[in-house]
Amino acid sequence: GESVGLHLPTLSVQEGDNSIINCAYSNSASDYFIWYKQESGKGPQFIIDIRSNMDKRQGQRVTVLLNKTVKHLSLQIAATQPGDSAVYFCAEIPSGGTYKYIFGTGTRLKVLA
Amino acid sequence: DGGITQSPKYLFRKEGQNVTLSCEQNLNHDAMYWYRQDPGQGLRLIYYSQIVNDFQKGDIAEGYSVSREKKESFPLTVTSAQKNPTAFYLCASSISSGGALDTQYFGPGTRLTVL
Repeated sequence: GESVGLHLPTLSVQEGDNSIINCAYSNSASDYFIWYKQESGKGPQFIIDIRSNMDKRQGQRVTVLLNKTVKHLSLQIAATQPGDSAVYFCAEIPSGGTYKYIFGTGTRLKVLA
Repeated sequence: DGGITQSPKYLFRKEGQNVTLSCEQNLNHDAMYWYRQDPGQGLRLIYYSQIVNDFQKGDIAEGYSVSREKKESFPLTVTSAQKNPTAFYLCASSISSGGALDTQYFGPGTRLTVL
């Protein structure tokens, strides 16, 4: 399998509980943020995004919160399921150049049955 | 079935060889990107292309080359000059790279191992 998840922080959550995954970003000028999910051996999958003029955005079972004061982003997954097990990482996109993503290293989510 | 495809899924290379990784998209996206992923690190940009027949170096372009002869295709060549090529390579595309809030979507990746 893919070894990209080695040495990552791990969050273990009981099936059915809520998960919260955190990300600290670096650039106060970043104006767009994305959460990706990456399963073992696969490419990253877009989950949800948020603009810097928002504090919160909700999707299906997922919510992203943005705290610009402390440059912190979080992903909340409601009623975590076994299929949610993956590495999750954030991307920040500084203003002025949308190709220049800055990616976090990621957090491994393990869902316990 | 729309999306981004990468081939092969696994690739083995002997030292001193050049290898080419394929990336194709049928999303009609203008911009395409190549990233390298290593354990415990965030994705690092190798090359990107905003439009056909044009491409720019990313943060770690040394030892790599690309071409963009068609909108749908953005192959990456890993040359013998790349000193540590073993990694997971990801191709991505977006509608454009100049638009606001332009989301990048990824292919399934190619795992390259140097023997």
